Amino acid sequence: DAGVTQSPTHLIKTRGQHVTLRCSPISGHKSVSWYQQVLGQGPQFIFQYYEKEERGRGNFPDRFSARQFPNYSSELNVNALLLGDSALYLCASSSPGPWGYTFGSGTRLTVV
Amino acid sequence: KNEVEQSPQNLTAQEGEFITINCSYSVGISALHWLQQHPGGGIVSLFMLSSGKKKHGRLIATINIQEKHSSLHITASHPRDSAVYICAAQGGSEKLVFGKGTKLTVNP
Repeated sequence: DAGVTQSPTHLIKTRGQHVTLRCSPISGHKSVSWYQQVLGQGPQFIFQYYEKEERGRGNFPDRFSARQFPNYSSELNVNALLLGDSALYLCASSSPGPWGYTFGSGTRLTVV
Repeated sequence: KNEVEQSPQNLTAQEGEFITINCSYSVGISALHWLQQHPGGGIVSLFMLSSGKKKHGRLIATINIQEKHSSLHITASHPRDSAVYICAAQGGSEKLVFGKGTKLTVNP
């Protein structure tokens, strides 16, 4: 069974551009969460989706948006990129019950 | 003050030593997670605890709910254990609040 897959693995964008990051959860997992990890820090919560509904949102500006599709995959969109958006973006999927998480390998976004 | 605090921030050990990493949290939790992150970024879930103690191989995780404290122990440490170890608190929702991580280096 494939783990959580994220694409792309690396991305370089210019300030002001838009980016879309993708995440496919483990089969059977209906919940997807997104986290931003800047260098030297722990990950910060951005969004959580369950059954295509937004269940939680972290302290991020409206330039950040996400959605979940009927197959439970998810996209994270960031508009008007800033240099400070450079980070590792992690996706995690989970299933109901013991709340175990499985993380993807992340997308490393560099904004220049 | 962060909701989840880890100590130490950096830890260097010699192969074979017993390692302890500490985590304190100030929020109410439904579970406490220990995670391992290698260079390159991928995160592996090591433990999820809501009480007591769990053991997996050379790794042991404990939690004291009353004191809001958890520890991760590594017995007979090995250079391949070198990584960043992160604790994360989970509240009523699935949102995780992460500590900043402890960078462990085990020298041969």
